[in-house]
Amino acid sequence: NAGVTQTPKFQVLKTGQSMTLQCAQDMNHEYMSWYRQDPGMGLRLIHYSVGAGITDQGEVPNGYNVSRSTTEDFPLRLLSAAPSQTSVYFCASTKDGAGAGNTIYFGEGSWLTVV
Amino acid sequence: GNSVTQMEGPVTLSEEAFLTINCTYTATGYPSLFWYVQYPGEGLQLLLKATKADDKGSNKGFEATYRKETTSFHLEKGSVQVSDSAVYFCALCSGGSNYKLTFGKGTLLTVNP
Repeated sequence: NAGVTQTPKFQVLKTGQSMTLQCAQDMNHEYMSWYRQDPGMGLRLIHYSVGAGITDQGEVPNGYNVSRSTTEDFPLRLLSAAPSQTSVYFCASTKDGAGAGNTIYFGEGSWLTVV
Repeated sequence: GNSVTQMEGPVTLSEEAFLTINCTYTATGYPSLFWYVQYPGEGLQLLLKATKADDKGSNKGFEATYRKETTSFHLEKGSVQVSDSAVYFCALCSGGSNYKLTFGKGTLLTVNP
């Protein structure tokens, strides 16, 4: 069972470069989301999707784009990387949402450093 | 809006000590409550959950009870092990935002032999 798969696991970028963090899930989950984790801040929601073709902004969307062309994939794009985007990024998915206590599954994380 | 406040760490204990990590929340409606654990260098794993008042979630010797009257969901374990060393996150999901977890800042637990 692959679950939620993120790539790459580690990446170093120069300021101004662009890149895409990939996320794929094989559980046929409708809901997918991206979080970033910073020391002392917990996890904060960047963008989310409630189904193919539907995306929306979370708490900290600036500097990031997403798309959801298939149920399985939810890539996160950094358009012009900045040092403030140095963080650990987590992709997550859930079938019916966590409101009824359903589990949200997380990927293993992508460690990004912008220099 | 929703918020989660959890005990700031780091917390350092000796093996077999009793653990409590406090968590309180503010939410609209009737949230579901979760504890997630992150081991060094890994992603988040669901540790336990509770979906309504007075529910007790439990897993791997950890327990937490959903207390609506005190808006709390404290994590406890009677006897910690070195392998429990990790960061613990309290989180909630309220019905109005079914896909989104609101996290506390995390508590680093270190257990020494």
